[in-house]
Amino acid sequence: GQQLNQSPQSMFIQEGEDVSMNCTSSSIFNTWLWYKQDPGEGPVLLIALYKAGELTSNGRLTAQFGITRKDSFLNISASIPSDVGIYFCAGHGDSNYQLIWGAGTKLIIKP
Amino acid sequence: KAGVTQTPRYLIKTRGQQVTLSCSPISGHRSVSWYQQTPGQGLQFLFEYFSETQRNKGNFPGRFSGRQFSNSRSEMNVSTLELGDSALYLCASSLTGLEIDEQYFGPGTRLTVT
Repeated sequence: GQQLNQSPQSMFIQEGEDVSMNCTSSSIFNTWLWYKQDPGEGPVLLIALYKAGELTSNGRLTAQFGITRKDSFLNISASIPSDVGIYFCAGHGDSNYQLIWGAGTKLIIKP
Repeated sequence: KAGVTQTPRYLIKTRGQQVTLSCSPISGHRSVSWYQQTPGQGLQFLFEYFSETQRNKGNFPGRFSGRQFSNSRSEMNVSTLELGDSALYLCASSLTGLEIDEQYFGPGTRLTVT
């Protein structure tokens, strides 16, 4: 079945730094969603993308739906301590009624 | 509008027992999906229900089952529990489950099998 490759697996950053993570696939996706999960909680939707080339912002977060429809990236500007958590990309491909998920990017802020 | 609720939040069971988890979707949402998440792992899709019908199923053994009621509330059941079933079980709801809809998650049920 379809798979999403999410990278990096984890990131150690300083507060105030910008962060970038991405998801790629060998097949086409029709939607891309970015979620953040805090420990012991369910993922929270950050940004949803529906059209190739679409660039959407949510505060300090910006995400883009790749032109080829095979990738997406998420940028976080000027990171703050509450940005710590696991970020997941997910997308709708050719599987009906099922989101395909990346393995997650764990964001850790260095003290 | 209330979010997705899951009960119970925490559960401890013994190997061989069975367990039932409950999920109430956001009002008006008719699609409910279930996921299993183990430590350090991504979300593994279990199944999706819409209007009381299972439309899609992931690669899990038959010990994992679910159902949806006419009010869109959903339950999942795991029979003959194994140690490896210890995980966070997440439920997500959306309006129709189609790709134009966004999934919203509940807080999860943390299941520990001893």
